[in-house]
Amino acid sequence: KQEVTQIPAALSVPEGENLVLNCSFTDSAIYNLQWFRQDPGKGLTSLLLIQSSQREQTSGRLNASLDKSSGRSTLYIAASQPGDSATYLCAVTSGTYKYIFGTGTRLKVLA
Amino acid sequence: DAGVTQSPTHLIKTRGQQVTLRCSPKSGHDTVSWYQQALGQGPQFIFQYYEEEERQRGNFPDRFSGHQFPNYSSELNVNALLLGDSALYLCASSSQELAFFGQGTRLTVV
Repeated sequence: KQEVTQIPAALSVPEGENLVLNCSFTDSAIYNLQWFRQDPGKGLTSLLLIQSSQREQTSGRLNASLDKSSGRSTLYIAASQPGDSATYLCAVTSGTYKYIFGTGTRLKVLA
Repeated sequence: DAGVTQSPTHLIKTRGQQVTLRCSPKSGHDTVSWYQQALGQGPQFIFQYYEEEERQRGNFPDRFSGHQFPNYSSELNVNALLLGDSALYLCASSSQELAFFGQGTRLTVV
């Protein structure tokens, strides 16, 4: 049974810091991994999708890496801003659009 | 493109009642999935519809049922509501590799 864990559960950093969010999964037979952002009480916004054959994806200040063999992914946020404050969720799928989510990392960027 | 739209945005129901939540998928998306997100938790997969049939189901009781219409829109029905059903219900539509989520329906059971 696939399980997804995210560390840390919460993170508070001053504005401008570079930070890394971690995601681990127990079954390496994934089709893709997706990182989402969730603002309080809102839906999910897709940030980055990494296919199983890829090692990383970049979008602006965000970079996500994937190491299937070790069951890990990291989301790197450069030069953090107060507007980055949100919960970040990672999710994996085995190819049938059924996503297994972690419990998220609550990020607070202080001005 | 309106993206994935869900209605209503908020709902308050009494224990034992029944509720229906609605989802319109992103244009061109034929697969709709429903998730339940309790406070402080990640979303949990309820079930998925494709071509008007339930294709996959998560570990949820039969009180949770759904439907998909020919235009790909979908409904989630929950019978005999329990206090523990209070959560944010998210709909996702998919095509090819990406899943797009709606803003969710916040259900409160009192």
